[in-house]
Amino acid sequence: GAGVSQTPSNKVTEKGKYVELRCDPISGHTALYWYRQSLGQGPEFLIYFQGTGAADDSGLPNDRFFAVRPEGSVSTLKIQRTERGDSAVYLCASSLFAGYETQYFGPGTRLLVL
Amino acid sequence: AQSVAQPEDQVNVAEGNPLTVKCTYSVSGNPYLFWYVQYPNRGLQFLLKYITGDNLVKGSYGFEAEFNKSQTSFHLKKPSALVSDSALYFCAVRDPNAGKSTFGDGTTLTVKP
Repeated sequence: GAGVSQTPSNKVTEKGKYVELRCDPISGHTALYWYRQSLGQGPEFLIYFQGTGAADDSGLPNDRFFAVRPEGSVSTLKIQRTERGDSAVYLCASSLFAGYETQYFGPGTRLLVL
Repeated sequence: AQSVAQPEDQVNVAEGNPLTVKCTYSVSGNPYLFWYVQYPNRGLQFLLKYITGDNLVKGSYGFEAEFNKSQTSFHLKKPSALVSDSALYFCAVRDPNAGKSTFGDGTTLTVKP
């Protein structure tokens, strides 16, 4: 079956601009996660949704970052006033439920802020 | 707070030899533990997980991992390495009361012919 998909695969933007990153989870998965991976590091948790609500947003670095999942399926990660330090690969994962269920990852969106 | 340590940035083994990639963790309560593999320009692929039960967990592509509660370790192993196993490997821990996973910084495995 189809896995987690993310669009765009690459995004280049200028400092100060607004960007949106999209994630389509595996059909039927109720939990959705966003992580950020910088070069040479492991994925760093940002936020996760159980259904439509954000169950844990403790990893969002500041109020420039926001994510939504209005219908409990597709999610969008929004970054305002981008900074060069936001450059990273943004990974989305989904799982059947939260807890012990395996998180399946998408290919990521590589964001470069110039 | 939960944390993971992968003490080796790089592991080199010869094809056909056994391999071990080390992982230690810290979490309150009983952990959920995971191994993922990442190939260049690809997303993370799930290999195996420990939730409860038998301490030896078998996963994809002939990999296995042993949960050791007293040593708080979850080392990844394979009896006979293949060149195609060369990749970046990540260990992750999850507190059963939380949805998020905490990942180590990864270990690059290189298998030489």
